[in-house]
Amino acid sequence: DAGVIQSPRHEVTEMGQEVTLRCKPISGHNSLFWYRQTMMRGLELLIYFNNNVPIDDSGMPEDRFSAKMPNASFSTLKIQPSEPRDSAVYFCASSQGEGGYTFGSGTRLTVV
Amino acid sequence: GNSVTQMEGPVTLSEEAFLTINCTYTATGYPSLFWYVQYPGEGLQLLLKATKADDKGSNKGFEATYRKETTSFHLEKGSVQVSDSAVYFCALWARDDKIIFGKGTRLHILP
Repeated sequence: DAGVIQSPRHEVTEMGQEVTLRCKPISGHNSLFWYRQTMMRGLELLIYFNNNVPIDDSGMPEDRFSAKMPNASFSTLKIQPSEPRDSAVYFCASSQGEGGYTFGSGTRLTVV
Repeated sequence: GNSVTQMEGPVTLSEEAFLTINCTYTATGYPSLFWYVQYPGEGLQLLLKATKADDKGSNKGFEATYRKETTSFHLEKGSVQVSDSAVYFCALWARDDKIIFGKGTRLHILP
C-alpha cells in the first residue's frame, strides 16, 4: 500500500489566493483527519470525516477554511482567501477506527 | 474531558544513554494508549501502542507500559541512537472518538 498520499508537498502562494490541498487515504480506512502543525500552536485537528461525512469541524479556524470528502478515496482542504498566518504544515491522516492513524507526509504551505 | 500531558522538551542526551519521556493521561473508561514519532520533514508514525491495563507496547527498542493505577504510559529506551532524534507524541483513543495527542517532546541525541 502506498500509504496516505498528499499533494502538493510544498505550496507557495500570495495572500488572497485560493489554496487547495489534496489527500488520498488508505483504501479501506473509514475515517479521515486534517491537521495543521506550527511551531507556535503545535498539532491541531481541523476536521475529521467518518464514512465521508464530516463529524467534527470545530477545529476549523475560520470560514475561509472548508473541507470536502466527495468519496472514500479523496478529500480536499481549501483556504480562500489565504493569509500569511495560514502558513503551516498541513497533514492528512486516515484510520480504520481503532486509534491507529496513518499520516501522510504533509503539505508545507507558505503564504507570502 | 480526556487529556494527555507529556514532559516538555527539548530533551538532549548522549548516544547510548537511557531515555524516559513521561506521559500521563486523564480519561473516562478504558482508553487505548499510543506513542507516535515524527522525524524531521515527515508525518507522524505509530511507534507503539497498548490497549489495556498492564499491556506493554514495544517497537524498535522502545517500550511503554499501560499503568492504570498511575494513569501513565512512559516511553523508555535503554540505549538511544542519533537516529532516534525526533519529536515524540503520547496519545490516547477513547473508543468512538478521535485521538487526543499530547504536545510532543523533541528529543536530540548527540553523537
